[in-house]
Amino acid sequence: RKEVEQDPGPFNVPEGATVAFNCTYSNSASQSFFWYRQDCRKEPKLLMSVYSSGNEDGRFTAQLNRASQYISLLIRDSKLSDSATYLCVVNMVGGYQKVTFGTGTKLQVIP
Amino acid sequence: GAVVSQHPSWVICKSGTSVKIECRSLDFQATTMFWYRQFPKQSLMLMATSNEGSKATYEQGVEKDKFLINHASLTLSTLTVTSAHPEDSSFYICSAWERTNYGYTFGSGTRLTVV
Repeated sequence: RKEVEQDPGPFNVPEGATVAFNCTYSNSASQSFFWYRQDCRKEPKLLMSVYSSGNEDGRFTAQLNRASQYISLLIRDSKLSDSATYLCVVNMVGGYQKVTFGTGTKLQVIP
Repeated sequence: GAVVSQHPSWVICKSGTSVKIECRSLDFQATTMFWYRQFPKQSLMLMATSNEGSKATYEQGVEKDKFLINHASLTLSTLTVTSAHPEDSSFYICSAWERTNYGYTFGSGTRLTVV
């Protein structure tokens, strides 16, 4: 089993739709979680951290379920500019920081 | 916000030569930096973790003698691809852990083409 797994997609959704991505992780000792966005041929950029209580930033909502070991990202009212690959990142912080990326989920918002 | 500067943005080199890529944290100190490689349409793959003042930790399957990492200061890590081959052509990205933003800040990446 991969340490971090995501559905690669692509998810093709119309403008204005709501779309959700899940990401599962295998290491129960994982301590911090993030969603990153990567546009084609660019570096990833932090979209949001994921907290146990869940957090929201505008149209984006992230949630963490430690019992089932997954995180989710919900995008409401999709915009064309949301088209990108969304990367799930899991960090096991200890004496040695180990960060693992998911393979990414590609989102294409269609006019 | 935290900025990581990576140079060069792109480089073309001949087989057998070496290429050095620099990664600098501009407004914060980074005791740990990470080097990734990304092939077209694939995910980021962690190559190694660079620790200031000590040896880098390489992921399984990454040749430490081929990908030399030096992290001599709290703001600079370098990756040298030695004796480059065409199969080393890829997108190399560095990142650093920035405590305040509680996240990883990435350099803009280096597109390496070996001919």
